[in-house]
Amino acid sequence: GQNIDQPTEMTATEGAIVQINCTYQTSGFNGLFWYQQHAGEAPTFLSYNVLDGLEEKGRFSSFLSRSKGYSYLLLKELQMKDSASYLCAVYNDYKLSFGAGTTVTVRA
Amino acid sequence: GAVVSQHPSRVICKSGTSVKIECRSLDFQATTMFWYRQFPKKSLMLMATSNEGSKATYEQGVEKDKFLINHASLTLSTLTVTSAHPEDSSFYICSAVGGGAAYNEQFFGPGTRLTVL
Repeated sequence: GQNIDQPTEMTATEGAIVQINCTYQTSGFNGLFWYQQHAGEAPTFLSYNVLDGLEEKGRFSSFLSRSKGYSYLLLKELQMKDSASYLCAVYNDYKLSFGAGTTVTVRA
Repeated sequence: GAVVSQHPSRVICKSGTSVKIECRSLDFQATTMFWYRQFPKKSLMLMATSNEGSKATYEQGVEKDKFLINHASLTLSTLTVTSAHPEDSSFYICSAVGGGAAYNEQFFGPGTRLTVL
């Protein structure tokens, strides 16, 4: 089975840093995606990790530890437009299994 | 590039009717398309995997006779919700793989909000 856990909600101040954790226990693993989803819209791709370590892409970074079944998404220099849901998804057997998503609210 | 469209974006129908949702890859050929549904504040749940020219593969618990999927070409897949009931009201999202994208990345459509009265 697939078990992917992430916090339900997080709140942070504009300009701050927020780290969203994701732990997973899945029957297989070929990589981990992070997506951003605004309410009523489709998810948009943020990052993909297949090897252990940190992937940095502008204000967003993602980390993976396969031995620990753990990933995090780091959002720096938060902006109001970053208020959204962030989805962790494990890729295996050509399919994605999603966590329930973490709603991030950025306050002025 | 790698744009996926869905039509309609919103649909309201009466209980017992059937609704068809289209998913199109606009600028690439999609070898595989996926259909998801999402309830408010919940995760995307994979319903089925659709490959062009073959039958869709449904996830456990998804009724294939209720959610008919047709993938007639490399740019179009359709999902028909047959005899819709209020509990079928949800946000349906498709995604497509192809176009030479790295990581087998799935490109998502904008979603279709279905409301069954």
